Amino acid sequence: AQSVTQPDIHITVSEGASLELRCNYSYGATPYLFWYVQSPGQGLQLLLKYFSGDTLVQGIKGFEAEFKRSQSSFNLRKPSVHWSDAAEYFCAVGAPNSGYALNFGKGTSLLVTP
Amino acid sequence: DAGVIQSPRHEVTEMGQEVTLRCKPISGHNSLFWYRQTMMRGLELLIYFNNNVPIDDSGMPEDRFSAKMPNASFSTLKIQPSEPRDSAVYFCASSRAGFSTDTQYFGPGTRLTVL
Repeated sequence: AQSVTQPDIHITVSEGASLELRCNYSYGATPYLFWYVQSPGQGLQLLLKYFSGDTLVQGIKGFEAEFKRSQSSFNLRKPSVHWSDAAEYFCAVGAPNSGYALNFGKGTSLLVTP
Repeated sequence: DAGVIQSPRHEVTEMGQEVTLRCKPISGHNSLFWYRQTMMRGLELLIYFNNNVPIDDSGMPEDRFSAKMPNASFSTLKIQPSEPRDSAVYFCASSRAGFSTDTQYFGPGTRLTVL
């Protein structure tokens, strides 16, 4: 079965600094990959997703992610973090031909300091 | 669009009481998901409906949990009797067709506290 790991539970960055959140997956073929963001007291919102094609995916709010098959990774990046980016970030993996199911990582909590 | 609507947003109850959580999916979406989020276990899929029919309830933890979707615009998740370990945030999400390629749109969640 597919699985997803987010190695970092908490990350702190200064406002204006760059950000990279790590996500590793385990699956026999190329899975469908997603990044969601959860602001405090809110539900999850999709930032971006990858199914096939260009391995660099652009999302909302200035985020991007790169799929690297050789490393089984789908890391999320942002060149300059804003205080409003402080939130919980979830990577999720879905398997083609398995229908609806998504497996979510445990999440990475991002703190942005002035 | 109003997005996925959940009620109540917060629920505090005592052990042994019945709890009913409600969800209104986005109009036109054919698939609905109930998730539970806890610190220990993260985000877990409890049950998935497609066209109002429960397709997979393997994530429902015990017989104390039940879910229904009587029509395309309403679903409930019921816990009877509730226990302190059921304390969590419960999310409802909907998608157009339910395929893993479809974006799931989440509601704001219901924070349940069982004393």
